[in-house]
Amino acid sequence: EIVLTQSPATLSLSPGERATLSCRASQSVSTYVAWYQQKVGQAPRLLIYDASNRATGIPARFSGSGSGTDFTLTISSLEPEDFAVYYCQQRSSWPTFGPGTKVDIK
Amino acid sequence: EVQLVESGGGLVQPGRSLRLSCAASGFKFDDYAMHWVRQVPGKGLEWVSGISWNGGNAGYGKSVKGRFTISRDNARNFLFVEVNSLRVDDTALYYCVKDRDDILTGSGMDVWGQGTTVTVSS
Repeated sequence: EIVLTQSPATLSLSPGERATLSCRASQSVSTYVAWYQQKVGQAPRLLIYDASNRATGIPARFSGSGSGTDFTLTISSLEPEDFAVYYCQQRSSWPTFGPGTKVDIK
Repeated sequence: EVQLVESGGGLVQPGRSLRLSCAASGFKFDDYAMHWVRQVPGKGLEWVSGISWNGGNAGYGKSVKGRFTISRDNARNFLFVEVNSLRVDDTALYYCVKDRDDILTGSGMDVWGQGTTVTVSS
């Protein structure tokens, strides 16, 4: 099973700041990583697929990068609605999710 | 409108069984792989099981393999999972999820239901 680790566990930032979230895989997953956003009381929402492709309707302030074992989700300028938990997920083998990074308001 | 509606959850004793269902609408169901993903309240996401577009390929997470069985009815646009030998640690919110692709290891899970809660307790 491919294990994903995410850092930091919590990121405390202010609106307008840049957020950089990290996801590391226990072995190479090529570019087969997706990112999801989950707000309290809601189902997750797909943001990024295959490391760098924005899903339908996702604002351009969200971007993804990386390949192999190291991946990054960047939110260029945080909006109030972006404070949430973010999960990475790999599809190189049976899907697994990372433990999540919580982005909260500083 | 693309929609997934889960049902079948509830309170069940350890060792018993349940069948979770998911009704899909608003998209061509038999073009896509489907998954079950669960989440313990306040915790992270865990992939439970997935099935390819035609049911020809299915996969299971380590913690449920041998106890859960996924299936689909493409004629009626339904996804199912039979959950057997339930344990206390199966207690979670179970989401029905659509993949962007037709294979189990598709590129992303792009439509999520609101979930059905399974509580395993004596």
